[in-house]
Amino acid sequence: DADVTQTPRNRITKTGKRIMLECSQTKGHDRMYWYRQDPGLGLRLIYYSFDVKDINKGEISDGYSVSRQAQAKFSLSLESAIPNQTALYFCATSDFGSSQNYGYTFGSGTRLTVV
Amino acid sequence: GENVEQHPSTLSVQEGDSAVIKCTYSDSASNYFPWYKQELGKRPQLIIDIRSNVGEKKDQRIAVTLNKTAKHFSLHITETQPEDSAVYFCAASIQGGSEKLVFGKGTKLTVNP
Repeated sequence: DADVTQTPRNRITKTGKRIMLECSQTKGHDRMYWYRQDPGLGLRLIYYSFDVKDINKGEISDGYSVSRQAQAKFSLSLESAIPNQTALYFCATSDFGSSQNYGYTFGSGTRLTVV
Repeated sequence: GENVEQHPSTLSVQEGDSAVIKCTYSDSASNYFPWYKQELGKRPQLIIDIRSNVGEKKDQRIAVTLNKTAKHFSLHITETQPEDSAVYFCAASIQGGSEKLVFGKGTKLTVNP
């Protein structure tokens, strides 16, 4: 089935380490997003990309970077992880404007713990 | 930028009762309003959406209403069932503009049997 796949599903890392979260999709969508979910805070946008040459900061981009390696792949990096980056991270895709379906498709999430 | 407020943060109802979750948005240019359901340990999934040229939309037991003047939209679930228990998120975006969803903080709905 066409889907959005995130790896790893769970990760524990130490403060100061560099870590990459990966997202790949088979839906053929141009638009990809990284959100962070914290209890009581909802889903907050970190970065988004509308094609391989387009990268945009979201509301909470500090401490994060991204790479859009191909239409189907969008990676999120924490250059030097800190404990308050402990959260559930979701990748999402959409095809806003190109069809009647404007909603996001979310990946299964990556639960990251920084100790 | 856009800001979406969602209330209540928690909601507990008896099975068979109705549940209503309300959201307000700040940017009058927003024109697309989806609702997502997130079951425990799972990804958010789109359950219904509405565009600004429509005032109400229904899909079986769920409905969404939009009041553009008040910048307010609501999710209505009738005849609630235990499997409706989940966290619900509203969101808003500008199609043809920024096209990124801004989410509310979520409502945890518990349906008691």
